[in-house]
Amino acid sequence: EPEVTQTPSHQVTQMGQEVILRCVPISNHLYFYWYRQILGQKVEFLVSFYNNEISEKSEIFDDQFSVERPDGSNFTLKIRSTKLEDSAMYFCASNEYYEQYFGPGTRLTVT
Amino acid sequence: RKEVEQDPGPFNVPEGATVAFNCTYSNSASQSFFWYRQDCRKEPKLLMSVYSSGNEDGRFTAQLNRASQYISLLIRDSKLSDSATYLCVVNRGNDMRFGAGTRLTVKP
Repeated sequence: EPEVTQTPSHQVTQMGQEVILRCVPISNHLYFYWYRQILGQKVEFLVSFYNNEISEKSEIFDDQFSVERPDGSNFTLKIRSTKLEDSAMYFCASNEYYEQYFGPGTRLTVT
Repeated sequence: RKEVEQDPGPFNVPEGATVAFNCTYSNSASQSFFWYRQDCRKEPKLLMSVYSSGNEDGRFTAQLNRASQYISLLIRDSKLSDSATYLCVVNRGNDMRFGAGTRLTVKP
């Protein structure tokens, strides 16, 4: 069964550093998403991406965040200058219609 | 008012019990509705979509009331493996909004 994959599974970085989280969506899906989940809190929508551009973004997705689809398979989330409060699980998801399928997540720890 | 609200629980039930979860949403323009389950430190996994006519998948029944902006999930004959957090999810365009989840523990 096709699945969304994410790398790395765990990333530790120092405050102020840039990080890139990588995702490979399901191959025939057209819509891609990033979410984050701070430990013990709810899943929060960050951004959706369609046809090589952002289609929606939340109030959390400020100028320090960017997304890119650098080739036909990868979908990346870049955080330019990480803050302690960026520590969270980051989930990538993709869908063809309405039902989204999530990757296993990247745990980001900012020290 | 939160965009998607759920009773946080926790719900602790014995095996075989029937349990119901409720969810309300604030945006009447919401288009699609889902229940996801999330195991501890894992990704959300789609449990079922929710349709206006109500839908059933084995032991799980979901209902949607658009007029009341209310969604429900009923689990019959609960199993130990049903222990998880159940997330109510509401979609508006390409923007999915999650409830905080309801924690269920099924005990032997």
